[in-house]
Amino acid sequence: DGGITQSPKYLFRKEGQNVTLSCEQNLNHDAMYWYRQDPGQGLRLIYYSQIVNDFQKGDIAEGYSVSREKKESFPLTVTSAQKNPTAFYLCASSEQANSGNTIYFGEGSWLTVV
Amino acid sequence: GENVEQHPSTLSVQEGDSAVIKCTYSDSASNYFPWYKQELGKGPQLIIDIRSNVGEKKDQRIAVTLNKTAKHFSLHITETQPEDSAVYFCAASMYAGKSTFGDGTTLTVKP
Repeated sequence: DGGITQSPKYLFRKEGQNVTLSCEQNLNHDAMYWYRQDPGQGLRLIYYSQIVNDFQKGDIAEGYSVSREKKESFPLTVTSAQKNPTAFYLCASSEQANSGNTIYFGEGSWLTVV
Repeated sequence: GENVEQHPSTLSVQEGDSAVIKCTYSDSASNYFPWYKQELGKGPQLIIDIRSNVGEKKDQRIAVTLNKTAKHFSLHITETQPEDSAVYFCAASMYAGKSTFGDGTTLTVKP
């Protein structure tokens, strides 16, 4: 089935550690996104990528890094510089990043700092 | 930048009643307005969307209306069922890379 696969579903991080969340899509979409969701709040954009080997910072990029080496993959690294990383992380994709394209979401990954 | 306000933050209705969720946006350049349904612990799923050249769109029990002059749009769910219980998000965008989401509405449908 076509879709967006995020892994792991649950991840625990010790303070000072970097962790990487995986996101793979088989929709042949050019654009991919990472959002952060905190309880009772909306979705905030961390990074997005319009095309392979290109990405732009979103509204809350500090403490995060991404790469886009393949069209299908857009991993997110939560670095130790992110002071409050406990949240629900959502990967998404769209055909393109422009022209009002619909954004489709994965099932999300829960990250907890222990 | 774009600012989207969504109301109410929580909504409780009896099964069979209608539910209405409203969003306002600030940037008149926004031209695409999707609505998402998010169940607990899952990713948001698109349920309906509307573009700026259309005033209303309907899909079975769900409808969305758009008032560009007033810069607001609404989600209408008729004949609500318990499985409609979820968090609903609106969004406004000029393009997918510039989508701004509302803070969500938790809808509870009581049997």
